[in-house]
Amino acid sequence: EAQVTQNPRYLITVTGKKLTVTCSQNMNHEYMSWYRQDPGLGLRQIYYSMNVEVTDKGDVPEGYKVSRKEKRNFPLILESPSPNQTSLYFCASSLRDFKGPNEQFFGPGTRLTVL
Amino acid sequence: QKEVEQNSGPLSVPEGAIASLNCTYSDRGSQSFFWYRQYSGKSPELIMFIYSNGDKEDGRFTAQLNKASQYVSLLIRDSQPSDSATYLCAVWSGGSNYKLTFGKGTLLTVNP
Repeated sequence: EAQVTQNPRYLITVTGKKLTVTCSQNMNHEYMSWYRQDPGLGLRQIYYSMNVEVTDKGDVPEGYKVSRKEKRNFPLILESPSPNQTSLYFCASSLRDFKGPNEQFFGPGTRLTVL
Repeated sequence: QKEVEQNSGPLSVPEGAIASLNCTYSDRGSQSFFWYRQYSGKSPELIMFIYSNGDKEDGRFTAQLNKASQYVSLLIRDSQPSDSATYLCAVWSGGSNYKLTFGKGTLLTVNP
């Protein structure tokens, strides 16, 4: 089954304790992206990657890191989480096409609470 | 700052009616337009995408695009209670980043 998986699905942590949210896709997609979704603010892009070893900042990258060592994986790293990073996080992937994104497939989401 | 605007709703329609969801965008160079449906606590799932001016139909769903007016809409015919969800309009403005700029979404409620 074609899918994007994220782990963990739920996480409660404390300020300053480093954490990693994993994202993996089995569709051989070149493009992957992380979004966060907050009430009243909608979905905002954190980081994206056009291919292996190619990553760049989105709209709200502060406090986050990413890496793309393999095509299928795109982990999101919070080196020192703070309460303002409490949010619902989505990983997404899509094929690259000259017309731009066709369908972006979203993972199931990770609900993060930072105390 | 590229913006995508949607009425937050809630939009309430009776079962069997047509639901009309609207979206405007600020970047005139935007190239691709998407409608996602998101149930509470779930991930967005794509319903329709449209590139060209005019209408695009898929089953009970019709997307309409008017680039001159910077307006995109989604019509849902014969609305069902299972259509009750938040509908997100998303826009791609071109370039190497496939980032979608999302509206905040319209909550649709279909009443039996």
